[in-house]
Amino acid sequence: DGGITQSPKYLFRKEGQNVTLSCEQNLNHDAMYWYRQDPGQGLRLIYYSQIVNDFQKGDIAEGYSVSREKKESFPLTVTSAQKNPTAFYLCASSILKNTGELFFGEGSRLTVL
Amino acid sequence: GESVGLHLPTLSVQEGDNSIINCAYSNSASDYFIWYKQESGKGPQFIIDIRSNMDKRQGQRVTVLLNKTVKHLSLQIAATQPGDSAVYFCAEIPEDYGQNFVFGPGTRLSVLP
Repeated sequence: DGGITQSPKYLFRKEGQNVTLSCEQNLNHDAMYWYRQDPGQGLRLIYYSQIVNDFQKGDIAEGYSVSREKKESFPLTVTSAQKNPTAFYLCASSILKNTGELFFGEGSRLTVL
Repeated sequence: GESVGLHLPTLSVQEGDNSIINCAYSNSASDYFIWYKQESGKGPQFIIDIRSNMDKRQGQRVTVLLNKTVKHLSLQIAATQPGDSAVYFCAEIPEDYGQNFVFGPGTRLSVLP
C-alpha cells in the first residue's frame, strides 16, 4: 500500500544529543514537509522540500536540519540547539507543493529526558 | 496516550446526533481549505476540502460550509458515531504566507454513548 512511514514512533533523548527522525514515502510525491505539533496549538512548519536536493525553512526551523537526497526520503534531525524539542513530529507529502491535500505519516513522539 | 489535543475546545455529542465543528480562518485571500481528523497517537487524515469559489461541499456523512464574509468554516457530521471521536482541525492556504498551509489548533469531539 502507498503511504508515508515515520520511524521511530517513540524516541527518548538525553539533553545535548542529536536525534534523527525518519520519513519515507512511496507515493511518488515531489513535496515533503515536517511539522511540529504541541498541545493546544496548530501544526507548525519546520522545513519543506519541493524537489530532491532542495529544501526551505518553515516558521520554526531553528535547531532542526533536514536533507533530501532521494525523492522518497526526508529525514529530520533535531539538534541539541533546539531548546524545547519534546513534541509530536509529523511528516507529510503532497503531489506538488500546496497542490491538493497533504498526506501525513503516523507521527513520531520525541521526549527529552 | 498522546498529549496532543490537551487544552483544546471540546464538543460532546450523543451518539446519533449531528455534530458541528467550527473554525475561524485568518486570511480573506485564502483559496483552499481542508478539514482533517486526528485520532489519538496517529497522524491527521483528510476528511473533506473546499475551494473559495464554493459555499458548501458534501461528502459521506460530512458537509463543509464556507462563509467568506465572516471568514468562517464549519464541518457538519451527520449521525455521529463513536468512531468519530477525535481532534478535528481546519487548514487554509493563505496567499500571503508563501503558499504554505496554516493549521487551526483543533476541536476535540467526544461522542457519548
